[in-house]
Amino acid sequence: KQEVTQIPAALSVPEGENLVLNCSFTDSAIYNLQWFRQDPGKGLTSLLLIQSSQREQTSGRLNASLDKSSGRSTLYIAASQPGDSATYLCAVMGNDMRFGAGTRLTVKP
Amino acid sequence: DGGITQSPKYLFRKEGQNVTLSCEQNLNHDAMYWYRQDPGQGLRLIYYSQIVNDFQKGDIAEGYSVSREKKESFPLTVTSAQKNPTAFYLCASSMSGVPYEQYFGPGTRLTVT
Repeated sequence: KQEVTQIPAALSVPEGENLVLNCSFTDSAIYNLQWFRQDPGKGLTSLLLIQSSQREQTSGRLNASLDKSSGRSTLYIAASQPGDSATYLCAVMGNDMRFGAGTRLTVKP
Repeated sequence: DGGITQSPKYLFRKEGQNVTLSCEQNLNHDAMYWYRQDPGQGLRLIYYSQIVNDFQKGDIAEGYSVSREKKESFPLTVTSAQKNPTAFYLCASSMSGVPYEQYFGPGTRLTVT
C-alpha cells in the first residue's frame, strides 16, 4: 500500500527566503504527483501536477521536481511571501490517490 | 464559472442523526470522490464514482453511503453508524480514469455532538 510522507510537518521562515518542501512515497509505480495548497478551513487548490515521465514543473515562483526512482518530490518556493502561508499537500496517483499529511508553512513579514 | 460546490460550509448534528452533504460540479467530469480530512492526517478516500449509477468504496466507507443519480451530483450521507463523524469533508472530481488531475470543492465542516 502506497504511503506518502511529508517532512517537516511545520515550517516557519522569514519573508524573502527560498524554501523547499519535501514529499516521499514508498511505491514508485505512479502515474503522477500533484502538489496542493490548502488555506485554513478551505478546500485544496492544485498548484502543480507532474506526470511520471516528467522531472519537474514550474509555475511562477513554484518549482516541483519528481524523482520517481527514489520516491521523492520537492516543492521549491522562491522569494517567499506572507501570502504563501498555508498547508501544502502532496498527493501521489497510482491505482488510487494517496495524500501526505501536509507541511504547514508560515512566512513571517 | 466552472467548479465544484459543496453545501453547507458548516453543519451541526446531534449524535444518532443521519446527515447528507451536497456536492455538485459543472466541469462535465465523469469521476467524483469524497474524502475525509482529520487534523494532522492526509485525506482519506471514503467513496468514489467513475460513472453515473456506479460507485466504489474507498478506504473508510463504513458508516457512509453515497448515490450517483446524475453526473453533476454526488451526495454523501453520514449515517449514525459512523463512530467518529466530526471531520472536514472534501469532494473532488476529475475526468474519468487515471491519471487525471483532481479538482476540489471548498469542503464541509461537520460537527456531531
